[in-house]
Amino acid sequence: AAGVIQSPRHLIKEKRETATLKCYPIPRHDTVYWYQQGPGQDPQFLISFYEKMQSDKGSIPDRFSAQQFSDYHSELNMSSLELGDSALYFCASSLDGAKANSPLHFGNGTRLTVT
Amino acid sequence: SQQGEEDPQALSIQEGENATMNCSYKTSINNLQWYRQNSGRGLVHLILIRSNEREKHSGRLRVTLDTSKKSSSLLITASRAADTASYFCATDAHTGGFKTIFGAGTRLFVKA
Repeated sequence: AAGVIQSPRHLIKEKRETATLKCYPIPRHDTVYWYQQGPGQDPQFLISFYEKMQSDKGSIPDRFSAQQFSDYHSELNMSSLELGDSALYFCASSLDGAKANSPLHFGNGTRLTVT
Repeated sequence: SQQGEEDPQALSIQEGENATMNCSYKTSINNLQWYRQNSGRGLVHLILIRSNEREKHSGRLRVTLDTSKKSSSLLITASRAADTASYFCATDAHTGGFKTIFGAGTRLFVKA
């Protein structure tokens, strides 16, 4: 079965550069979530989208923005990168988000290293 | 953590023993979910329990939910070395939007 696809798997950037992370949800899933996970930390909720509209926001810095496109893929844009942005970034998708009892399906993440 | 605490933070047991992990959360919820994560990999959904349920089973997993105490437990019976991973609880909060928040996680090590 198709899973959530994230690209790239690894990304190395320098401070003050920008980065774009991409996520392709499971086909027909209508809800996408982004999480940031530092070493040894729990995943921190950043933002979610339902049917291409922003649904909720968490601890997402103003330097980050995200959107969901007409084909349901999502991109997380990160500008003015800081060393503290180094982390694993996960995308997850779910079906029938409106029912609010749907499990999340995660991609394998993008490991961002800021030097 | 955005949500609450998990207890214990780390757990080391022998193969065949049972492992119990606890989770507390802060807000009212629609449901509570448990996920597993192998090092550096994506999280994998294990089980979901709705706010009106008290106990749920799936294979070697047993989950309980006490909404009055805002707590849940995950029991893995007859553990195997392959169960070695981090386990997180997550709650789907009443925010009006879709926001699943994770707890701090328990790192389980099962010795063969």
